[in-house]
Amino acid sequence: RKEVEQDPGPFNVPEGATVAFNCTYSNSASQSFFWYRQDCRKEPKLLMSVYSSGNEDGRFTAQLNRASQYISLLIRDSKLSDSATYLCVVNEGAQKLVFGQGTRLTINP
Amino acid sequence: DTAVSQTPKYLVTQMGNDKSIKCEQNLGHDTMYWYKQDSKKFLKIMFSYNNKELIINETVPNRFSPKSPDKAHLNLHINSLELGDSAVYFCASSMSGTGYNQPQHFGDGTRLSIL
Repeated sequence: RKEVEQDPGPFNVPEGATVAFNCTYSNSASQSFFWYRQDCRKEPKLLMSVYSSGNEDGRFTAQLNRASQYISLLIRDSKLSDSATYLCVVNEGAQKLVFGQGTRLTINP
Repeated sequence: DTAVSQTPKYLVTQMGNDKSIKCEQNLGHDTMYWYKQDSKKFLKIMFSYNNKELIINETVPNRFSPKSPDKAHLNLHINSLELGDSAVYFCASSMSGTGYNQPQHFGDGTRLSIL
């Protein structure tokens, strides 16, 4: 079983749509959680941290369910510039980040 | 500019050669990392150093030898390059500390191609 599992997609959605990504992780001792974004042939960049109570940053909402070991990302009113690969990332402690395979998202005009 | 910078950006070389990739960060971070992203796009940690001390070594072949002369630099030397070493190598840095929510900042990547 992969340590961090995501649906690789690709997801193709029209501009303005709402899209949700899910992620599960296997290590119940994981300490913190993130969503990173990676554009084609670029480096990963932090999109947002994920907190236990859930958190929102503009059009982006992240949720964490520790009991189910499940993380989600919701993007509302999607823009063309949201097209990227979204990486679910889990910190297993000692700054060891484990990355999911990523979910490819394409927003169509 | 404040950043994580790595050189070279592209590296094309023959099997069996030895090569190095350099990484520097001016963010004042105390922890640096090397990651490998293969053709299937999985990003996997290889090494991490905290204040020049090796913290994580993820069963990487000993042909790969990281060197950290100071906490702002972490270089990666690779001996006897093999075809399977072809990948994008990312350097990253972060602050350590008691908080676990310390994001990592990545360099642009070095695209290594073995002929």
